[in-house]
Amino acid sequence: QKEVEQDPGPLSVPEGAIVSLNCTYSNSAFQYFMWYRQYSRKGPELLMYTYSSGNKEDGRFTAQVDKSSKYISLFIRDSQPSDSATYLCAMLLYNFNKFYFGSGTKLNVKP
Amino acid sequence: DADVTQTPRNRITKTGKRIMLECSQTKGHDRMYWYRQDPGLGLRLIYYSFDVKDINKGEISDGYSVSRQAQAKFSLSLESAIPNQTALYFCATSDSGTGVTEAFFGQGTRLTVV
Repeated sequence: QKEVEQDPGPLSVPEGAIVSLNCTYSNSAFQYFMWYRQYSRKGPELLMYTYSSGNKEDGRFTAQVDKSSKYISLFIRDSQPSDSATYLCAMLLYNFNKFYFGSGTKLNVKP
Repeated sequence: DADVTQTPRNRITKTGKRIMLECSQTKGHDRMYWYRQDPGLGLRLIYYSFDVKDINKGEISDGYSVSRQAQAKFSLSLESAIPNQTALYFCATSDSGTGVTEAFFGQGTRLTVV
């Protein structure tokens, strides 16, 4: 079983839609939960991170962590064509500083 | 200039050849990583280094070796390249000192083994 599971998509939505991206994980010791965005031909860049359970909001983006279910989500409101990218979830065992990545979900927002 | 620089950006090599991918960083971070990215498989860790004298294997280290020449430089070698090593390779850094959870990635090296 992989440490982190993520639906690869692709996911295609119209501009203005609400997007929900999700990951599940198996290791209850993960402490930090991150979302990276990767544009075509670029390296991933950190979009948001949360510590432990709960929600975190940043503009149109909301990250949600449910540690009891080992499930994390990223919501994008009022999606824009510029949001078209691959979104990777990542998790961290803090003491080891090793990052565990999901396989990425490719999102296409159509104008 | 990019904080994490990978060279070359693209490379085509023949089966059996030795090839080195280089990574340098100006962020002053102590930790460096090499990942490969394949469609549907995401980012898989090849090797990581927590300081110059500390090198660790990741989940897919077979067929690869690394060298941490300095805190700012971390190179990945394929001793005898094979076609299934065709992939996008990323170097990344992180900083243990500040407790920051972020990994900073280079632009990637697209390697094709023919």
